Amino acid sequence: GAVVSQHPSRVICKSGTSVKIECRSLDFQATTMFWYRQFPKQSLMLMATSNEGSKATYEQGVEKDKFLINHASLTLSTLTVTSAHPEDSSFYICSAIPGTPYEQYFGPGTRLTVT
Amino acid sequence: AQSVTQLGSHVSVSEGALVLLRCNYSSSVPPYLFWYVQYPNQGLQLLLKYTSAATLVKGINGFEAEFKKSETSFHLTKPSAHMSDAAEYFCAVSEGDKIIFGKGTRLHILP
Repeated sequence: GAVVSQHPSRVICKSGTSVKIECRSLDFQATTMFWYRQFPKQSLMLMATSNEGSKATYEQGVEKDKFLINHASLTLSTLTVTSAHPEDSSFYICSAIPGTPYEQYFGPGTRLTVT
Repeated sequence: AQSVTQLGSHVSVSEGALVLLRCNYSSSVPPYLFWYVQYPNQGLQLLLKYTSAATLVKGINGFEAEFKKSETSFHLTKPSAHMSDAAEYFCAVSEGDKIIFGKGTRLHILP
């Protein structure tokens, strides 16, 4: 149980275009999902907390207009990287809370490459 | 604010040897602590968690960790390393609904 999926697993896009990444909780409902960014050989950096039916809460230094987050249902959150640039290339990971306090289940990640 | 410090960005052990990955936490309240493993180009998998029950926590793949309040530590151990244990390991502490990660330790297994 507690499976989280992400789609796509890899995406390559041209500079200036927008890319949408989906995060789904497959066998549970998640009122809260999280989006992380991971640079090569580094730890995960929390970007934002996504709450179903409300606006996302962004961490300090994360541009909310560049990283659009939508949590339209209890099983789906999306991250849209708008007007992507090469410096946005990274590994993006989502996670969801299944209801067990203080425990997050992570998706497999999405590798974004902006050329 | 809660934080965790992982000592050693890289640890190498021989196959069959003891694995010890160190983690110290800083928390103003009784913490919830986690160890996650990440294989290349994959997400994170929960190895084990401490939630104020037993101080010795057993996880998957033969790993365990002991919560020591006096030392503010939550070190991860495995009696006998296997080649498949080679991965990145993250210690983490909860802060409300959020999880704060350490910088990670890459475990190398020597044949």
